[in-house]
Amino acid sequence: KNEVEQSPQNLTAQEGEFITINCSYSVGISALHWLQQHPGGGIVSLFMLSSGKKKHGRLIATINIQEKHSSLHITASHPRDSAVYICAVPYSGGGADGLTFGKGTHLIIQP
Amino acid sequence: DTGVSQNPRHKITKRGQNVTFRCDPISEHNRLYWYRQTLGQGPEFLTYFQNEAQLEKSRLLSDRFSAERPKGSFSTLEIQRTEQGDSAMYLCASSFGGNGYTFGSGTRLTVV
Repeated sequence: KNEVEQSPQNLTAQEGEFITINCSYSVGISALHWLQQHPGGGIVSLFMLSSGKKKHGRLIATINIQEKHSSLHITASHPRDSAVYICAVPYSGGGADGLTFGKGTHLIIQP
Repeated sequence: DTGVSQNPRHKITKRGQNVTFRCDPISEHNRLYWYRQTLGQGPEFLTYFQNEAQLEKSRLLSDRFSAERPKGSFSTLEIQRTEQGDSAMYLCASSFGGNGYTFGSGTRLTVV
């Protein structure tokens, strides 16, 4: 079973700051997911990546397969970015049999 | 297509009662997943279907939990004889072949 560790668990920053959230996992994977969850429960998929880097607006996700590590960056952070960010990997590494999730990083961006 | 739909959004039930939740996935998606999320934790995998076949159910939390997807479209998750520890958010997600996931808004269960 894949184990996922995220850091930090909580992060408070000022508007405009550059944000980094880290994720490490234990078993080699086919792809890693970054998800966003707002109060009320809805989860939105931000990125699925298997190598290198992906960018969408102010969000950037990187992954190092050899080191089993991924980072999510937010540039020019804004209060609307406040949410829980969750890293997830395939339960058994490569299959499509569901995801194992980190506990999430609770991000608060203050105006 | 309006995404993954879950009903009800909230459910309050008395301990010992049975509850059933429904998930309607994206129509083209052949895989459907159920997760449970407790406060402050990431979602925890429960079970998943490929079309109507339930391919993994050993991780269901107990034999009080069961899930069906009879025609390979919508799915139901039933909890029998609910306990206070079952209070959680129950999330459904769907995908096509495991490539990218779309999540529903969840059903929040409160057992009193």
